[in-house]
Amino acid sequence: EAQVTQNPRYLITVTGKKLTVTCSQNMNHEYMSWYRQDPGLGLRQIYYSMNVEVTDKGDVPEGYKVSRKEKRNFPLILESPSPNQTSLYFCASGRTRANYGYTFGSGTRLTVV
Amino acid sequence: AQTVTQSQPEMSVQEAETVTLSCTYDTSESDYYLFWYKQPPSRQMILVIRQEAYKQQNATENRFSVNFQKAAKSFSLKISDSQLGDAAMYFCAYRSAQGGSNYKLTFGKGTLLTVNP
Repeated sequence: EAQVTQNPRYLITVTGKKLTVTCSQNMNHEYMSWYRQDPGLGLRQIYYSMNVEVTDKGDVPEGYKVSRKEKRNFPLILESPSPNQTSLYFCASGRTRANYGYTFGSGTRLTVV
Repeated sequence: AQTVTQSQPEMSVQEAETVTLSCTYDTSESDYYLFWYKQPPSRQMILVIRQEAYKQQNATENRFSVNFQKAAKSFSLKISDSQLGDAAMYFCAYRSAQGGSNYKLTFGKGTLLTVNP
């Protein structure tokens, strides 16, 4: 089944404790991206990747890192989480040269206390 | 930068009736794509329907159809014969077709649809 797999689904952590949210897709998509969803703000892009070893900042990149060492994986790293990073996070993948929309993972609900 | 506006934070509809969700957008590009995504309580983001800006014909997917007015920059979603399973948050989204804004999806803030039995 074609899908984007995110883990974990839920995560509660303390301020300053490094964490990684994993994202993997099995559709051979070049493009992958991370979004955060906050009430009243919709979804905003954090980082994106056009291909292996090609990543760049989105609209709200502060406090986040990403890597793209393999085509299928695009982890989101919070090196020193803060309470304002409490949010719902989505990974998405797709093809930029076609209008099929992007496929989203099932989301990670992160709470930083 | 592109913006997407959904002016209805909440809508409700009776089961089996029709409802229309509004979306307007602002862009200087001529080639782009528009989408409606559905987010049920499971929070999964599900693509409902898509429209290419170069196509004049409005997209349809079963009970879902759009009214795309390019000159007015309007992209509304019509749900016919509403079902209880249609209850969800609906997001309108824009994406450049030529790489503008890094191919990101620009989302509206969403419309929460309630379906009453």
